[in-house]
Amino acid sequence: RKEVEQDPGPFNVPEGATVAFNCTYSNSASQSFFWYRQDCRKEPKLLMSVYSSGNEDGRFTAQLNRASQYISLLIRDSKLSDSATYLCVVNSFGGSQGNLIFGKGTKLSVKP
Amino acid sequence: DAGVTQSPTHLIKTRGQHVTLRCSPISGHKSVSWYQQVLGQGPQFIFQYYEKEERGRGNFPDRFSARQFPNYSSELNVNALLLGDSALYLCASSLAGTTYGYTFGSGTRLTVV
Repeated sequence: RKEVEQDPGPFNVPEGATVAFNCTYSNSASQSFFWYRQDCRKEPKLLMSVYSSGNEDGRFTAQLNRASQYISLLIRDSKLSDSATYLCVVNSFGGSQGNLIFGKGTKLSVKP
Repeated sequence: DAGVTQSPTHLIKTRGQHVTLRCSPISGHKSVSWYQQVLGQGPQFIFQYYEKEERGRGNFPDRFSARQFPNYSSELNVNALLLGDSALYLCASSLAGTTYGYTFGSGTRLTVV
C-alpha cells in the first residue's frame, strides 16, 4: 500500500462548482499534514496545512480524520485559476525532519 | 528577497554520464532537501541536509549523493545516469530543518537520452 493515496482524477468541473479531494495515509504515526498545489511544469507550493480541528482559508477547507487516516480538501466556487494538480502531503516525523511524503496528485481542470 | 534558486534549469545528458545539480537556499535557511519528481508522480524525497550534515536519506541508489557547503548551498550528484533518472529535481529550503516554512525552488529538469 502506498504511503499517501489520492483520488486518481482528473476532475473536470465548471466554474462555480464545489469539488472535493480525498486522501488516505498509511502511517498512523504521521504528525503533520498539508495540501500543496502544483501548476504545470512548476514547483509545488503550499496551499494550506491541515489541522485536526479542520481549517478554512477563503474558499478552501481542509479536514483531517486521524482515526480513519483520511485528509480532505474542499474547494467552493471554483475559479479558472484553481486549475492545477493538488498534492496531499504528510510528514511522518512531527515536522522535525525535512521528509515530506507526497501523494501522486489529483489534477483539477476548471472550465468556463 | 531571492527565493530558492536552482541551476541549471534544464539539462540533457547521455546515459552513463554524471550530473551535478545546484541549489542555493533562502538567505538564513540552514536546511536543504532534495526531491525527484518523475512525470505523473508526486515528488519523492532523496536527501535532507541541515547544518552541513545529512539528516535523512530516501530510497535511492548509491549513484545519488549530495553535500551541503558552509554557506548552506547544496549539490546533488548523480553518477552513471539511467534513462529512468529523467525527472524534475526539486530543492527545498527551510529555516531549521523542519517542514514548516518549506519553500521549493523551481527545479532542474533533467533529460537522460
